Amino acid sequence: EAQVTQNPRYLITVTGKKLTVTCSQNMNHEYMSWYRQDPGLGLRQIYYSMNVEVTDKGDVPEGYKVSRKEKRNFPLILESPSPNQTSLYFCASSLGREETQYFGPGTRLLVL
Amino acid sequence: LAKTTQPISMDSYEGQEVNITCSHNNIATNDYITWYQQFPSQGPRFIIQGYKTKVTNEVASLFIPADRKSSTLSLPRVSLSDTAVYYCLVGDGGATNKLIFGTGTLLAVQP
Repeated sequence: EAQVTQNPRYLITVTGKKLTVTCSQNMNHEYMSWYRQDPGLGLRQIYYSMNVEVTDKGDVPEGYKVSRKEKRNFPLILESPSPNQTSLYFCASSLGREETQYFGPGTRLLVL
Repeated sequence: LAKTTQPISMDSYEGQEVNITCSHNNIATNDYITWYQQFPSQGPRFIIQGYKTKVTNEVASLFIPADRKSSTLSLPRVSLSDTAVYYCLVGDGGATNKLIFGTGTLLAVQP
């Protein structure tokens, strides 16, 4: 089944404790993105990747890192999480930037 | 940087046609405009995409004027199951490959 998977789905952590949210797609898509969704602010792109080893900042990259060592995986790294990074995070992938994006199920993060 | 504006919410009744407009300035010249639907606790799902004029598929129509500074999603004869948040998505008009979502419109369909 074609899908985007994210793990974990729910995470509670404390300020400053490094964490990684994994994202994997099995559709051989080139374009991958991370978004955060907050009430009243909609979905905002954090980082995106046009292809392996090619990543760039979205609208809200501060406090996040990503890597794209393999085509299928695009992990999101929070080196030192802070409470303002409490949010719902979505990973998405598509054949190209303008193609239909397929979203993962979301990761709900709470930073205390 | 592209900016998008959508109404926060809309109400409708079953069987009515609903039009949701997104204003977007400074979008990428050659990019498509795409609309997504999102239900609670799920990721957004593709509805329709267009570049200019009118596009229709089995669930919706999309109207884009010549200046491409706005787009209107039209849902014919909505049902209760169409209650969701609807987002427009555009490419940033700068020299980047960013994507910009609208702030979303909550459509509430009543019996």
